[in-house]
Amino acid sequence: DIVVTQSPLSLSVNPGEPASISCRSSQSLLHGTGNYYLDWYLQKPGQSPQVLIYRGFNRASGVPDRFSGSGSGTDFTLKISRVEADDVGVYYCMQTLQHRTFGQGTKLEI
Amino acid sequence: QVLLQESGPGLVTPSETLSLTCAVSGGSINYYYWSWIRKPPGKGLEWIGYIFYTGNTKYSPSLQSRVTMSVDTSKNQVSLNLDSVTAADTAVYYCARLGSVDNYYFYIDIWGRGTTVAVSS
Repeated sequence: DIVVTQSPLSLSVNPGEPASISCRSSQSLLHGTGNYYLDWYLQKPGQSPQVLIYRGFNRASGVPDRFSGSGSGTDFTLKISRVEADDVGVYYCMQTLQHRTFGQGTKLEI
Repeated sequence: QVLLQESGPGLVTPSETLSLTCAVSGGSINYYYWSWIRKPPGKGLEWIGYIFYTGNTKYSPSLQSRVTMSVDTSKNQVSLNLDSVTAADTAVYYCARLGSVDNYYFYIDIWGRGTTVAVSS
């Protein structure tokens, strides 16, 4: 089974500052198509999760361009260029190469 | 606008079967994958599995011995059964749709609001 590990588990950021969350998998998430099989989701307080990034780098429809995904192999990063108050919540990465596995989640606070 | 509504008993007795239904409105169940995900209290998200509208399934290796998913295209709904539950199965259970922009890579694009299930005697 592919294990996915996020860091940090909690993050406190001032509005307007950047934030970065790391996601590391126990094996490469590179698919034979050349794409990376990793998504990022955000669960805001009291809400269901929502997709931010799919297939490694692709921003989902309606997601602000402040959010970006990067990485390769086993190491991936979600970056928020300028954090806003509405960004608070728990961020999850999820590998989709073999079955699906979520990371533990990273709680972002302002 | 596609909406997903989970329903089922909020309390299940240990060793019994947890049964949930996800009603899909505003769109067809056909041609999509449908997933179940849960969030135990104080923990992160856990993927349970998914089912294609044709009935093909893929389950989490850690749960596959106890999980059964099914679809009812006539009712536009999907169902989840989890056998032999224990307190560790207490969680918010989410129904979700796997969407795609290219019919090749699928990600969770729509989530239900979730339903809380407690396992207790």
